[in-house]
Amino acid sequence: AQSVTQLDSQVPVFEEAPVELRCNYSSSVSVYLFWYVQYPNQGLQLLLKYLSGSTLVESINGFEAEFNKSQTSFHLRKPSVHISDTAEYFCAVSAGSARQLTFGSGTQLTVLP
Amino acid sequence: NAGVTQTPKFQVLKTGQSMTLQCAQDMNHNSMYWYRQDPGMGLRLIYYSASEGTTDKGEVPNGYNVSRLNKREFSLRLESAAPSQTSVYFCASSEEPGGRGFFGQGTRLTVV
Repeated sequence: AQSVTQLDSQVPVFEEAPVELRCNYSSSVSVYLFWYVQYPNQGLQLLLKYLSGSTLVESINGFEAEFNKSQTSFHLRKPSVHISDTAEYFCAVSAGSARQLTFGSGTQLTVLP
Repeated sequence: NAGVTQTPKFQVLKTGQSMTLQCAQDMNHNSMYWYRQDPGMGLRLIYYSASEGTTDKGEVPNGYNVSRLNKREFSLRLESAAPSQTSVYFCASSEEPGGRGFFGQGTRLTVV
């Protein structure tokens, strides 16, 4: 069975500061990894994904995540956050032949002025 | 493009009532999913359909049933609603099982 742990439920950070949202997963087989973002009262939107190839993946709005197989991690980083990045962020993994998408419990990122 | 459309957006039920949540996608995706989102628990998979004609239980299937009506539509039914089913329900679809998911806007369900 696969599982996802997001270590921080809330991350407050000042505008223009760097941020890291942590995600660890467990799976005994190869995985696909995702970060989704959810703005208030909306559905989830894909931020970035790792399927194969380069372990560093980037999104169009400055976020990046690195797949670390030895540490079973897929942490999300941004060097300088904006007020508009305030949202809840979910890490997700799919693995095995059934390929069910399993989500972490979410991290609320709040960017302070 | 509409993407994934869920109806209704809001619903209040009395304990014991039944209802069906509707979901349709226009992306010709094979796989569809129903999740519930509760504070501090992320999204938990209720049921999924890897392809038309198949459905499987997810992590929290008790109290729910699903129907994959055709490739576009995947409905979720609560036969006898309970307060514990108060939640936000999301439908999603993906081209392949476990692939990138496209989500609907959610249905906020309150059971009183």
